[in-house]
Amino acid sequence: AQKITQTQPGMFVQEKEAVTLDCTYDTSDQSYGLFWYKQPSSGEMIFLIYQGSYDEQNATEGRYSLNFQKARKSANLVISASQLGDSAMYFCAMRLGDTDKLIFGTGTRLQVFP
Amino acid sequence: KAGVTQTPRYLIKTRGQQVTLSCSPISGHRSVSWYQQTPGQGLQFLFEYFSETQRNKGNFPGRFSGRQFSNSRSEMNVSTLELGDSALYLCASSLTGDYSNQPQHFGDGTRLSIL
Repeated sequence: AQKITQTQPGMFVQEKEAVTLDCTYDTSDQSYGLFWYKQPSSGEMIFLIYQGSYDEQNATEGRYSLNFQKARKSANLVISASQLGDSAMYFCAMRLGDTDKLIFGTGTRLQVFP
Repeated sequence: KAGVTQTPRYLIKTRGQQVTLSCSPISGHRSVSWYQQTPGQGLQFLFEYFSETQRNKGNFPGRFSGRQFSNSRSEMNVSTLELGDSALYLCASSLTGDYSNQPQHFGDGTRLSIL
């Protein structure tokens, strides 16, 4: 069964510190894509970073990086130098096959404190 | 470049009514997907349209339907509304809808409340 698991319902981090949000996935497909989205309290889903199953290097986008460990089926998001504006829900998602269907995890609520 | 536009932002309906939600994708995007987000069930895939054809459908009852027009705009309809349909409905579009690194870009959502 295809599934995304986020085991951290909530995380706290101090401003300017780095934080890692965990994500594990389950699929028997060889080709898949992994995404991280941020959802502020206003509701919109903001795309952060993508990792393809065949990508050999970990993806990075500014302060966001993805720690991809294929053998362990994990795709953890690392946020460096946290900012107060990073406080939000973070969702890990997987896309399979030649469709746009995304399978989402349950999310992690990140709170950044001064 | 304008983002994904969903209208209306908020809706209040009563049980038994029907509702139509609209989604205008980013210009040039041909794939549109819909998701339902609730506190209890999280984010669940409803359906996906590509070039006016429904390509994939989630596990929702037939009361949930959708369509896509030739300009890629999409509508979602829910008939005979139930209290459990109260949710944030998110629309997302992507450029090609194929297996690629193109991310889905989401709209701000329509928050539907059923009284």
